[in-house]
Amino acid sequence: DAKTTQPPSMDCAEGRAANLPCNHSTISGNEYVYWYRQIHSQGPQYIIHGLKNNETNEMASLIITEDRKSSTLILPHATLRDTAVYYCIADRGAGSYQLTFGKGTKLSVIP
Amino acid sequence: KAGVTQTPRYLIKTRGQQVTLSCSPISGHRSVSWYQQTPGQGLQFLFEYFSETQRNKGNFPGRFSGRQFSNSRSEMNVSTLELGDSALYLCASSRNLAGENTGELFFGEGSRLTVL
Repeated sequence: DAKTTQPPSMDCAEGRAANLPCNHSTISGNEYVYWYRQIHSQGPQYIIHGLKNNETNEMASLIITEDRKSSTLILPHATLRDTAVYYCIADRGAGSYQLTFGKGTKLSVIP
Repeated sequence: KAGVTQTPRYLIKTRGQQVTLSCSPISGHRSVSWYQQTPGQGLQFLFEYFSETQRNKGNFPGRFSGRQFSNSRSEMNVSTLELGDSALYLCASSRNLAGENTGELFFGEGSRLTVL
C-alpha cells in the first residue's frame, strides 16, 4: 500500500471549514484514498473514500488532485465534536482489510 | 442496526496469564479484522477472518491468535501476556460482498487490556 503523509496537528475555528491535507505521491492506480477519524478513546470511524473523482457525503467532502498524488478532506462546518485524529489511508479496498494507519492529523476545533 | 460489539470493554491481567476477547460484527457482515492500538505503535493490524478462515495476518508473535465462528462472531486470544501487550484491541467488521469496494470498516469501541 502507498505511504501517506499528513501534518501532525491542525487547529480550526468552530463553524469554519476544516481542510485536512494528505500526500500520497506513490499511490497506484487501483488504490483508493480512505479517510477515518478517531475521537478520543473510541474506535475509528469511516468518513469517506474515493478513487479519482471528488466525493461528498453527509459528513465530508474529499477532493483528489488530478494526478492523484494528494487529497484534501473538507469538513464544511467544523464543530467541537469533530475534534479527533484523522487518518488518510491508501488501500486497494478489494478483499484487503489490512489497513495501514499512520499517525494521522490531530484536528482541534477551537470555540 | 446494532454496531460492532466488543467484550469485555476493560480488563486487567497479570504477566503470564492469557486473555480472550470477543467481537460480534454487524449483522450480515462476514469479515472481521482485529487491530492493536498502543501510544507508541499506533494502530496495527493483527489478523482478518472471513467465513471462519484467517485470510491475512499482521506481524505479531504466535501468542496472538484468533478464530471466527459460523455466525461470524470472532474471538482473539493472547497467551503468556507481557507488559507490552497492554493496549486497546479493536475489532472491525465489513460486508465483503463480491464486486464491492470493501475498504469501509466498522469498528467497535475496543477492549482495553492492562497487563500488570
